[in-house]
Amino acid sequence: NAGVTQTPKFRVLKTGQSMTLLCAQDMNHEYMYWYRQDPGMGLRLIHYSVGEGTTAKGEVPDGYNVSRLKKQNFLLGLESAAPSQTSVYFCASSYQGVSYEQYFGPGTRLTVT
Amino acid sequence: AQKITQTQPGMFVQEKEAVTLDCTYDTSDQSYGLFWYKQPSSGEMIFLIYQGSYDEQNATEGRYSLNFQKARKSANLVISASQLGDSAMYFCAMRDLRFGNEKLTFGTGTRLTIIP
Repeated sequence: NAGVTQTPKFRVLKTGQSMTLLCAQDMNHEYMYWYRQDPGMGLRLIHYSVGEGTTAKGEVPDGYNVSRLKKQNFLLGLESAAPSQTSVYFCASSYQGVSYEQYFGPGTRLTVT
Repeated sequence: AQKITQTQPGMFVQEKEAVTLDCTYDTSDQSYGLFWYKQPSSGEMIFLIYQGSYDEQNATEGRYSLNFQKARKSANLVISASQLGDSAMYFCAMRDLRFGNEKLTFGTGTRLTIIP
């Protein structure tokens, strides 16, 4: 039981390049989330999904796209990376039911130069 | 809109002492949940404790307890008998419990350092 995994762990991009971050969970959770964490700030929600085939915008969705084609996977895409997207990205998942805690992946450190 | 405020950017506490980390929140919702997460230097987010707005008793999980004062809109985390391994960032978060509203709002965190 690996929980929530993220690939890659580190990535350096040049401005304008694109990339996809992969999140996978093996807990059969319905809900999945992408957050970013910047210095001095708490986590901010980018996008989330309440089930396979669904996605919704969070607090800071601009510049990102997501897809949830399979229940266990949640992809975060950057079409044209900008230095402002330098951050640590966390994926999380939870059971359906709002009192359940979210389980977090180990994070991906992304630097855009 | 929901908002979480953690006013202590950093705290230093002697080992074995109890520590209280402050968290105040703002919401117009009647039904919500409050969470505390720990983030050690390794970076992962670890769930510690949960309190529902309708729970009458304060939540406890081992050495962690949540001092929930609904009228004051505060949800302080209390760690008893602190240990060196408690040194980490601590985040308070809240979630609207209305179905379909899945956003978890985080505070800016408190960095706790335990002194031997």
